[in-house]
Amino acid sequence: KAGVTQTPRYLIKTRGQQVTLSCSPISGHRSVSWYQQTPGQGLQFLFEYFSETQRNKGNFPGRFSGRQFSNSRSEMNVSTLELGDSALYLCASSVTGGSGEKLFFGSGTQLSVL
Amino acid sequence: DQQVKQNSPSLSVQEGRISILNCDYTNSMFDYFLWYKKYPAEGPTFLISISSIKDKNEDGRFTVFLNKSAKHLSLHIVPSQPGDSAVYFCAASGRRAGTALIFGKGTTLSVSS
Repeated sequence: KAGVTQTPRYLIKTRGQQVTLSCSPISGHRSVSWYQQTPGQGLQFLFEYFSETQRNKGNFPGRFSGRQFSNSRSEMNVSTLELGDSALYLCASSVTGGSGEKLFFGSGTQLSVL
Repeated sequence: DQQVKQNSPSLSVQEGRISILNCDYTNSMFDYFLWYKKYPAEGPTFLISISSIKDKNEDGRFTVFLNKSAKHLSLHIVPSQPGDSAVYFCAASGRRAGTALIFGKGTTLSVSS
């Protein structure tokens, strides 16, 4: 069974640009969540989607958005990039996103904002 | 304010000995606690979890202990192996579906042979 796939693996952007990251969950998983990992803050929750609906959102500005498609694939978008957006963005999937359910993470997209 | 804290940024242990990684939390509403392991350039991988109604869960070399009164949990690895060298994250989640995992900042474990 294929794992969680994130593309691209690396991205370099400049301030003010926008970026779209993609995530394909494990087959049969309907919940997709996104996390940002930075050296200073650790892993922080961005948002979670289930059946194309955002169920939960973390404490990030509106420049961070996401969506989920009918095949459970998900994208996240960051507009008007800032230097502080440089981070590893991790996508995780689970069957239903239920409490305590094991999350399976992708390898992440490393975003560098110059 | 951090709801999940891992106060030791690093831990060094000899092969064959016990590794004990600690985690403290502040929110008594957390329902599940999980441990993840992360190697460089890879995403975190699930290790073991424990429900808030239990005080111990074991899986092979890994055991997690939960002390609700102290709001403290620990991960024991016995015996430690060089392949266990990684960053270990403690995480907690609430009861609601779709709830976020709240992660600690991680502890880097180094196991020397």
